[in-house]
Amino acid sequence: VQLRESGPGLVKPSETLSLTCTVSGDSIGTYYWTWMRQPPGKGLEWIGHISHSGSTNYNPSLKNRLIISVDTSRNQFSLNLHSLIAADTAVYYCARGLPPGLAVWGQGITVNVSS
Amino acid sequence: QSVLTQPPSASGTPGQRVTISCSGSTSNIEGNYVYWFQKLPAMAPKLLIYGNHQRPSGVPDRFSGSKSGTSASLAISGLRSEDDGEYYCAAWDDKLSGPVFGGGTELTVL
Repeated sequence: VQLRESGPGLVKPSETLSLTCTVSGDSIGTYYWTWMRQPPGKGLEWIGHISHSGSTNYNPSLKNRLIISVDTSRNQFSLNLHSLIAADTAVYYCARGLPPGLAVWGQGITVNVSS
Repeated sequence: QSVLTQPPSASGTPGQRVTISCSGSTSNIEGNYVYWFQKLPAMAPKLLIYGNHQRPSGVPDRFSGSKSGTSASLAISGLRSEDDGEYYCAAWDDKLSGPVFGGGTELTVL
């Protein structure tokens, strides 16, 4: 199974970050699917996760700005983070599993929030 | 400020045994499984330990995990240069209804 993140590398403050994770070698119709991030010089942070049926669980610090969705027809799941600030600059990872039991990760995508 | 507390750094020489601690509370470590991740530079995190002490397939038995009460630890024996990197503990938190992570421990193999 492989996961690959895609999306913009640079986003302006106050705009929306949209990332997609494409799953290959496995059906997204099983497991939970998770978004994680690591800001520069900081530790790992859970963003949120979604079940194959679409039920979500978000980090309380991000839930007012966050939507995670799943597209079973495309075997993808996505993250939309609104009203971006500089502190959202990070490497974003998608992963398979109910956190913290994340056994399969994508390679990560670097996102810079800057004007 | 991370919910789980880890020492910021640890070090050892090749062949040595190193232990990394992780301190939590009754709402996370004490009542739930502990996980450990290895984060090497420019690489995705790798699950080292799940279920407090279980190793995924492919993880050498040099890595071992344990838990007691509200604390957990990761031991690395026969230290190698390729072990140089960051190590994170994690657990589900019942109050948060989500996972919590430690701030990470930077391991240096001297």
